[in-house]
Amino acid sequence: SQQGEEDPQALSIQEGENATMNCSYKTSINNLQWYRQNSGRGLVHLILIRSNEREKHSGRLRVTLDTSKKSSSLLITASRAADTASYFCATVPNTGGFKTIFGAGTRLFVKA
Amino acid sequence: KAGVTQTPRYLIKTRGQQVTLSCSPISGHRSVSWYQQTPGQGLQFLFEYFSETQRNKGNFPGRFSGRQFSNSRSEMNVSTLELGDSALYLCASRDPGGANVLTFGAGSRLTVL
Repeated sequence: SQQGEEDPQALSIQEGENATMNCSYKTSINNLQWYRQNSGRGLVHLILIRSNEREKHSGRLRVTLDTSKKSSSLLITASRAADTASYFCATVPNTGGFKTIFGAGTRLFVKA
Repeated sequence: KAGVTQTPRYLIKTRGQQVTLSCSPISGHRSVSWYQQTPGQGLQFLFEYFSETQRNKGNFPGRFSGRQFSNSRSEMNVSTLELGDSALYLCASRDPGGANVLTFGAGSRLTVL
């Protein structure tokens, strides 16, 4: 089964609004990452947060991590039409091995 | 530096045929992972290769196989294709820095008729 579950499954907002996506995972992790995918293309890495960090910023992105609840959130501020894409959280379970597991993703649509 | 290159980008096959997909990782990256992406199942891990050895494997039938060459290029093969194998197959190379960051190729879109 998937390591990560994300909600909402889909999100539609107006340009300029903030978009928040949430991710939950099941096992202990070393880090959690967020990726973006434009329709039918490969994924692009956005940001990584380590298990000993609680919050991280990169440009208009803000990621939080709560290891006690096994959850993370991605906030995109002042969204733009170009942010329209699917967003996935990804984890590598802390059980050894090198299998990065992706959540089901959130489809974000930003209306101009 | 060049990114991850996947070929072919699109292909159409019929049931029962086999297909081979190719992936060239970023220069210097020795780890290659393969994923299958479908609307119903999302991104499913197929396998990972490192220095020509399969290091991890997902829950796919034996019809799905792969290999990695000494130059780190990887191929995956699907034999006896089924309609359900229609998907976007994504390859990713792993940053050797240890943070497990993946760089993906554009994918190979397989349609099985």
